[in-house]
Amino acid sequence: TQLLEQSPQFLSIQEGENLTVYCNSSSVFSSLQWYRQEPGEGPVLLVTVVTGGEVKKLKRLTFQFGDARKDSSLHITAAQPGDTGLYLCAGYNFNKFYFGSGTKLNVKP
Amino acid sequence: NAGVTQTPKFQVLKTGQSMTLQCAQDMNHNSMYWYRQDPGMGLRLIYYSASEGTTDKGEVPNGYNVSRLNKREFSLRLESAAPSQTSVYFCASSESVFSGNTIYFGEGSWLTVV
Repeated sequence: TQLLEQSPQFLSIQEGENLTVYCNSSSVFSSLQWYRQEPGEGPVLLVTVVTGGEVKKLKRLTFQFGDARKDSSLHITAAQPGDTGLYLCAGYNFNKFYFGSGTKLNVKP
Repeated sequence: NAGVTQTPKFQVLKTGQSMTLQCAQDMNHNSMYWYRQDPGMGLRLIYYSASEGTTDKGEVPNGYNVSRLNKREFSLRLESAAPSQTSVYFCASSESVFSGNTIYFGEGSWLTVV
């Protein structure tokens, strides 16, 4: 099993604050994806990062893949209530995606 | 835009009963997956099918069987349900198993085994 540890597990912040979520592993991954899941629904892909050191931006979300391709971070600028949800990272190796346990984000208005 | 459809949405089983979760995708994807999601555990892969006619074990296959009925459909069977199988089950599909492909998930099936 290729473990992905996400931190923090829970995060409750006020609208307008910035935050960073981390995804760490001792394994090297070919690629890494971030998903967001809302209650009662399946996860939805936000981004895929492939190259070590890669940075991708999606509006107020910035994703970074570590140089060694073992870790990743998700930074949200000026969080909004619509960002509330469970954020999951998933690392790819050997035909499979291995998911982290998730960070539950609550953004209060 | 149906995407990935799974049934039933909710099910309560008694220990020892059997049941099948059905899944169908309309995106002409080659690969399909079954995951379970438990609190604090994230999503764990039960079985996957890289292409029609093939199935492979994931991280937690014990107690489950799968059938790739055709390109569209991938079912998950619990032969003798146990309380440890209480979970939310997600079916998913992607164009292929290769890195970088988007995985599309269904809405989930809530299963309780009493």
